[in-house]
Amino acid sequence: EAQVTQNPRYLITVTGKKLTVTCSQNMNHEYMSWYRQDPGLGLRQIYYSMNVEATDKGDVPEGYKVSRKEKRNFPLILESPSPNQTSLYFCASSLFGTGHTGELFFGEGSRLTVL
Amino acid sequence: AQSVAQPEDQVNVAEGNPLTVKCTYSVSGNPYLFWYVQYPNRGLQFLLKYITGDNLVKGSYGFEAEFNKSQTSFHLKKPSALVSDSALYFCAVRGYSSASKIIFGSGTRLSIRP
Repeated sequence: EAQVTQNPRYLITVTGKKLTVTCSQNMNHEYMSWYRQDPGLGLRQIYYSMNVEATDKGDVPEGYKVSRKEKRNFPLILESPSPNQTSLYFCASSLFGTGHTGELFFGEGSRLTVL
Repeated sequence: AQSVAQPEDQVNVAEGNPLTVKCTYSVSGNPYLFWYVQYPNRGLQFLLKYITGDNLVKGSYGFEAEFNKSQTSFHLKKPSALVSDSALYFCAVRGYSSASKIIFGSGTRLSIRP
């Protein structure tokens, strides 16, 4: 089954304790992206990757890191989480670039609470 | 710069009535337009897209959307609403360029009352 898998789905942590949210897709998609969803703000892009070893900042990258060492994986790293990073996070992937329309396939989401 | 506006935070419709969820966009050149739906505690699911051609696009679950270039709109419609259509709906746009980003609207919560 084609899917995007995120882990953990739920996490409560404390300020400053490094954490990683994993994302894996099995569709051989070049493009992967992280979004955060906050009430009234819709979806905001954190980072994206056009292919392996190619990552770039989205609209709200501060406080986050990513890596793309393999095509299927795109982990989101919070080196020193703060309460304003409490949010619902989504990983998404798609075929992209010339000739592709780029509809996104989303994971089920990771709800993060930073105390 | 690209942008998407969903002017209504919430739309309330009685079951069996037609529904419309509004979306307007701004993009340089021709757009790719999308609608996604989010059910509670789930990720977003692709509903339909407009790329080119017929202005009326049909998608999943009986939904359709009408592309109107002159009004830069891409409203989501369904002739007869179901209670199970209650969810959060997002409109999204990207340009034709391979480097173009996908921009999401702020979302519209659709509530269908029995």
